[in-house]
Amino acid sequence: GAVVSQHPSRVICKSGTSVKIECRSLDFQATTMFWYRQFPKQSLMLMATSNEGSKATYEQGVEKDKFLINHASLTLSTLTVTSAHPEDSSFYICSARDGSSATYEQYFGPGTRLTVT
Amino acid sequence: KQEVTQIPAALSVPEGENLVLNCSFTDSAIYNLQWFRQDPGKGLTSLLLIQSSQREQTSGRLNASLDKSSGRSTLYIAASQPGDSATYLCAVYGGATNKLIFGTGTLLAVQP
Repeated sequence: GAVVSQHPSRVICKSGTSVKIECRSLDFQATTMFWYRQFPKQSLMLMATSNEGSKATYEQGVEKDKFLINHASLTLSTLTVTSAHPEDSSFYICSARDGSSATYEQYFGPGTRLTVT
Repeated sequence: KQEVTQIPAALSVPEGENLVLNCSFTDSAIYNLQWFRQDPGKGLTSLLLIQSSQREQTSGRLNASLDKSSGRSTLYIAASQPGDSATYLCAVYGGATNKLIFGTGTLLAVQP
């Protein structure tokens, strides 16, 4: 089946530093990838949608200069949290959609727990 | 704007009981609906996907139904087990928005 991986699974960084999270589709080509953020005991909030080779589309209220998204290949998207602050601590989940699929199903990664100290 | 609501927010049942989780959505112009499971601190596990043209999907002890016209879906879990304890999320995909909109989730606890 379709598998999406994320790396790292957990990361702790100091306030003011930047951290990069990778999202990979392992066995399919992902023309579209999505980044979500989840706060404790809450549902997933879509941050941005990225299409391979294009600029990401950010949801209202999401700072594009703070959350840099790159989707340079059909199997890799990255999310870089720049100048991280404690309020950026959260669970970040990516998903990918198979460009050849007619169902528009999204496949989700295992998530990355970011803690900013 | 699509809004997805799940009832109940939390549910505790004894092992072996059959149960139903509910999901409602405000815009019936959806392309598909998915049910997910999320264990604490983990990512999402896709359980079932129902296309808008379908009425239900089954996988093992799980059965999901979709009534697009009324904006409702149910997830039926038969003979519940402690291992079913998790948060269950429904999400609808609307073609016009190209977004998957998630519900508020139901926290299920199955007591041994």
